[in-house]
Order: sequence, then C-alpha cells, then structure tokens
Amino acid sequence: SAVISQKPSRDICQRGTSLTIQCQVDSQVTMMFWYRQQPGQSLTLIATANQGSEATYESGFVIDKFPISRPNLTFSTLTVSNMSPEDSSIYLCSVRTGGRTEAFFGQGTRLTVV
Amino acid sequence: GDSVTQMEGPVTLSEEAFLTINCTYTATGYPSLFWYVQYPGEGLQLLLKATKADDKGSNKGFEATYRKETTSFHLEKGSVQVSDSAVYFCALSDQAGTALIFGKGTTLSVSS
Repeated sequence: SAVISQKPSRDICQRGTSLTIQCQVDSQVTMMFWYRQQPGQSLTLIATANQGSEATYESGFVIDKFPISRPNLTFSTLTVSNMSPEDSSIYLCSVRTGGRTEAFFGQGTRLTVV
Repeated sequence: GDSVTQMEGPVTLSEEAFLTINCTYTATGYPSLFWYVQYPGEGLQLLLKATKADDKGSNKGFEATYRKETTSFHLEKGSVQVSDSAVYFCALSDQAGTALIFGKGTTLSVSS
C-alpha cells in the first residue's frame, strides 16, 4: 500500500488568506485526488490532480478557488484561496496505484477559518 | 450517475452486539465495492473490499458480501467492541483510474 504524508495536519487561518496543503506519496502513483469533508459529512471530490497538466475539477469547484499542482508522480498541492469560514473542513489527499482497485488516503488537513 | 446509499446513523450498540450497516449502490458497470473506516481525528482506512459478484470481503471480524442481484454490500460484525466506534463509509469504483464514490457515512458508537 502507498504511504501518504499530508501537511499540515491542521491549521487555523484568518479569512481572506490562503493555505497550501501538501501531499507526498512514498511511491509513484497513477492517480491523485483531493476531497473535502465538511463537518459531519461525507467526502466530496474536489478534483483529480493530473501530472504535468491542469487538474480536472468537479462541478462546483473552480481553479481560482482551489488551485492544484502536481509536478511529478509522487507530489501534489492543493491551495484553498481567499478563505471564508465556509471553507472550514477536512481536506484529504487520495491516491490510486496501477493494478490496485482501492484508494489510499492521507491523514487529512483539518482547516478552521476564523 | 453512480451512487452509494447508506443507512442513516448514528448507530448505538452495546459491546458484543451484532452490527449491520446497510449499503446499496447504483452503477452502470460492474463496480468494485469498499468499506472504509474513519476513527476520530484520523483519515480513512480501507476496511475491506470486494471486486466481483458473490465475493466476500473480510477484515478484523467485519464482513461484507457483494450481492449483484440486490446491488448491496452490507457490512456486518458478529460482536462489536468499544474500539469499533468510528464512522463507516461504503464506496464504489466503477472504472480504473477514477475517484471513488462515497456514501454519506454511518457513525457507530459502541458502549461498554
């Protein structure tokens, strides 16, 4: 299984600022995804991080608000821009590797916007 | 589109009770099915999986059988422990290389 390191694990941020979350995997992976989990809710897919090209965003999520980078097969970042209290959530990095049906998850970043 | 429906929680049980969490799915193809568990303050961990009809996934005393005829993947455990208290998510993957689709999650609380 892939080991995923996600940083920071938690943060408290002022509204109007931005936070960049890092996701580092211990091996090359085919697919990387970013999810949001609002308090007490399920996981909502934000986007698929594509290596060397623009991310593919789900309906309701836009690049200006959630810019994503994926410079190589082991690393990705998600930025939450111009934050408001509604952005307070857990943000999760997830990966799928070739030949495996399941996905693996990082520990998540618990973001509180005040 | 594909979707997963889980029973609403919370589920509150006494230690050693029998657990069932219902999960049904809608998919156009032949998906792989998963149960993930999220302990308080942690990320998601894969609990078990099944990749084709009639497969039974099992782990840590939990079991789930892939029922194509009823499009279900119910999670069961014969005797729950306090340490099983967590949120359980049913999920599916319809195509290789795509993101998993999750149900809303079911919170399980087990008391001694």
